[in-house]
Amino acid sequence: GDSVTQMEGPVTLSEEAFLTINCTYTATGYPSLFWYVQYPGEGLQLLLKATKADDKGSNKGFEATYRKETTSFHLEKGSVQVSDSAVYFCALQDDKIIFGKGTRLHILP
Amino acid sequence: SAVISQKPSRDICQRGTSLTIQCQVDSQVTMMFWYRQQPGQSLTLIATANQGSEATYESGFVIDKFPISRPNLTFSTLTVSNMSPEDSSIYLCSVMIGRIYGYTFGSGTRLTVV
Repeated sequence: GDSVTQMEGPVTLSEEAFLTINCTYTATGYPSLFWYVQYPGEGLQLLLKATKADDKGSNKGFEATYRKETTSFHLEKGSVQVSDSAVYFCALQDDKIIFGKGTRLHILP
Repeated sequence: SAVISQKPSRDICQRGTSLTIQCQVDSQVTMMFWYRQQPGQSLTLIATANQGSEATYESGFVIDKFPISRPNLTFSTLTVSNMSPEDSSIYLCSVMIGRIYGYTFGSGTRLTVV
């Protein structure tokens, strides 16, 4: 069945560092791909999405490109801030949505 | 996208009691989804609630433990019954407006059972 694998955390970076959180997927169809963010004490918020191969989703300085050839949707940000500290979930959606296990990100000032 | 109001935002409950969580959506949706997020874990789908029919439960979840109501197209409740400390989790409701828009989530209910 469909599945999502994302890098385990926690990931700890200094402010202004470059961020990559890896996400790969397995799917039989042509899913849409998403990154969700969960700030401390809150529910999930959609961060960005891509609905077909080679699409790039972007929001708040974060980017991810739908790579069909490598079945990946890695999340990147060029310069992280303390306020980016959160848990990030990669997800794919075909008939239903499937989440990765989440990656906790700590940004140190 | 939709806006979901979920309440309560948190509660501390005694073992053996029940808690009902409410979700109100600002637009009509066919399906609403209920998730559980155990501490440090990802989201697990509990059930899908369609208006006018019984909810569909995922493996490992039963109606007696997690009864769901869906009286109209904008509202749903999830009850966590006969609670034990193992039920301590965040519970989230969710809707999908369109396939390409992804899911919108409520802010979650953080439940602690003592």
